Amino acid sequence: QQPVQSPQAVILREGEDAVINCSSSKALYSVHWYRQKHGEAPIFLMILLKGGEQKGHDKISASFNEKKQQSSLYLTASQLSYSGTYFCGTEIATGGFKTIFGAGTRLFVKA
Amino acid sequence: KAGVTQTPRYLIKTRGQQVTLSCSPISGHRSVSWYQQTPGQGLQFLFEYFSETQRNKGNFPGRFSGRQFSNSRSEMNVSTLELGDSALYLCASRATTGNYGYTFGSGTRLTVV
Repeated sequence: QQPVQSPQAVILREGEDAVINCSSSKALYSVHWYRQKHGEAPIFLMILLKGGEQKGHDKISASFNEKKQQSSLYLTASQLSYSGTYFCGTEIATGGFKTIFGAGTRLFVKA
Repeated sequence: KAGVTQTPRYLIKTRGQQVTLSCSPISGHRSVSWYQQTPGQGLQFLFEYFSETQRNKGNFPGRFSGRQFSNSRSEMNVSTLELGDSALYLCASRATTGNYGYTFGSGTRLTVV
């Protein structure tokens, strides 16, 4: 039931855009996105609830297609600080929290 | 406010031993989850506790157990350690009102030799 992330890795030049996808075979209640830098804890970016909403802060935004059980993370005008591994976490409606994470997408932004 | 605190940061244990890891969540967060992170498997869900009760459990053997105290602090125990248990163990707390994600601790790096 682990969500599938794509691509597995991406290399960008500063200022370029990237899209990271996350898909699940289950009916989702919510999707989370996190970024983890090497040797650090994952940092929460945003959460999207079912309803097809789109969220964003700064130049990072995400969408959630409830019908397809897919979410996409959009990074625009990438900065060096965007480098890291991005994880999506998916939740189904259940008692409590049980977030299952994808395998991650490694993003490297070079100058 | 203080973040999620995990102790110890590093541990080296021998096969067959047992280990206890500790996690103090963000003040006010009553939900605490544990994850195992390895290079090959990514973030694997272990269990989630809320108000001293385990609400969800992942697909790990019974050697992995946990508990939560009345102050929301949580401990995770692994008995009869195996080499494959070497990993980074992450604790994450989460508010139960509003739409917020997890705040992760820095983790405990466990090495089994």
